[in-house]
Amino acid sequence: KNQVEQSPQSLIILEGKNCTLQCNYTVSPFSNLRWYKQDTGRGPVSLTIMTFSENTKSNGRYTATLDADTKQSSLHITASQLSDSASYICVVSGTGTYKYIFGTGTRLKVLA
Amino acid sequence: DGGITQSPKYLFRKEGQNVTLSCEQNLNHDAMYWYRQDPGQGLRLIYYSQIVNDFQKGDIAEGYSVSREKKESFPLTVTSAQKNPTAFYLCASSTLGLARLADSTDTQYFGPGTRLTVL
Repeated sequence: KNQVEQSPQSLIILEGKNCTLQCNYTVSPFSNLRWYKQDTGRGPVSLTIMTFSENTKSNGRYTATLDADTKQSSLHITASQLSDSASYICVVSGTGTYKYIFGTGTRLKVLA
Repeated sequence: DGGITQSPKYLFRKEGQNVTLSCEQNLNHDAMYWYRQDPGQGLRLIYYSQIVNDFQKGDIAEGYSVSREKKESFPLTVTSAQKNPTAFYLCASSTLGLARLADSTDTQYFGPGTRLTVL
């Protein structure tokens, strides 16, 4: 069964600190992996998209990594800001499956 | 929210009522989607449409209906047959349809959502 699991479920950090969110998947054959940011009560917004051949991609203070062999991805946030408080969702799609599989998300709270 | 609007932001439904959620996009996207989001669960696909006058059931279509009469609009009706409709509903659109989207680096753009509560 194709699955996407994210950890931790929730995380609290102090402003200015770094953090790393994890995404493990079993989707096969793998096509690409997306990270989205979802502010409370809003729709998700795309942060990064990585294909099989890419192992890292950055978007400002957000850096995503992908290890297609171990089927793991991480999202690293550098020098966190209060505005980073949101849910971060990992989405994995498989070649030929015509499906997006959404993870349950990690809820991040950044405290001043 | 990338040119997608949803209304209303909050909606309350009485038992046995049908309600319709609006979704409009000005991105000139061919494909549109409806998702349901519940606490502790990933987004689940209700319906999607790859072209005007055509739509396909997603993973949880029971109790829902849609129409796609115009490229810009994809309203979702939550019928009385949907026994547990309380949730956050998200509309999305993309250039490519679902079949090609999964194999591409195209992006889905999401609306701001509608929170539906059953009274």
